[in-house]
Amino acid sequence: GQNIDQPTEMTATEGAIVQINCTYQTSGFNGLFWYQQHAGEAPTFLSYNVLDGLEEKGRFSSFLSRSKGYSYLLLKELQMKDSASYLCAVTDSNYQLIWGAGTKLIIKP
Amino acid sequence: IAGITQAPTSQILAAGRRMTLRCTQDMRHNAMYWYRQDLGLGLRLIHYSNTAGTTGKGEVPDGYSVSRANTDDFPLTLASAVPSQTSVYFCASSDGRRGNSPLHFGNGTRLTVT
Repeated sequence: GQNIDQPTEMTATEGAIVQINCTYQTSGFNGLFWYQQHAGEAPTFLSYNVLDGLEEKGRFSSFLSRSKGYSYLLLKELQMKDSASYLCAVTDSNYQLIWGAGTKLIIKP
Repeated sequence: IAGITQAPTSQILAAGRRMTLRCTQDMRHNAMYWYRQDLGLGLRLIHYSNTAGTTGKGEVPDGYSVSRANTDDFPLTLASAVPSQTSVYFCASSDGRRGNSPLHFGNGTRLTVT
């Protein structure tokens, strides 16, 4: 079967750095997405990786290793507004999106 | 403002009743999707449509039906609601022509079936 694993919950301190990991086992691979979802709101697109390496976008970066079936989302200079759930999703060989259950990130002052 | 509009925002529905969740987008996206989101589970695809006039079944299609008469609208119908259909429902769309097209989500419909 297809599976995506993320930690259920993480806690970090305002101003710090946090890394949210995502491992996947899917039938083929055509890209990996990260979405942010604030409580009670819709998911919003953060990043997309299809090649190995690091993609940087302001305070957020996303890394991919296809050989290891692994990605992480790195958030720097954490702000209280970064408290949200972060969803990892992989596009398989049929271009179907497989979603992880999400990681709830709690930021403490 | 371009985007996806869902209605209603929330609804309490008696079991056995019929309900249609509405979804409209103005981005001229080809592909549209209906997901349900339940606590502790990832987003699960109910139905999708790659282009107007076509629809397909997702991971959890039972008890739901959709139609895609035009590009903009993609309603989801529960023919006879059951308590297990209590969930938050998200409609989404994407350009669909490229594998890296991100999804744009509506604000969701919170449905409670009693």
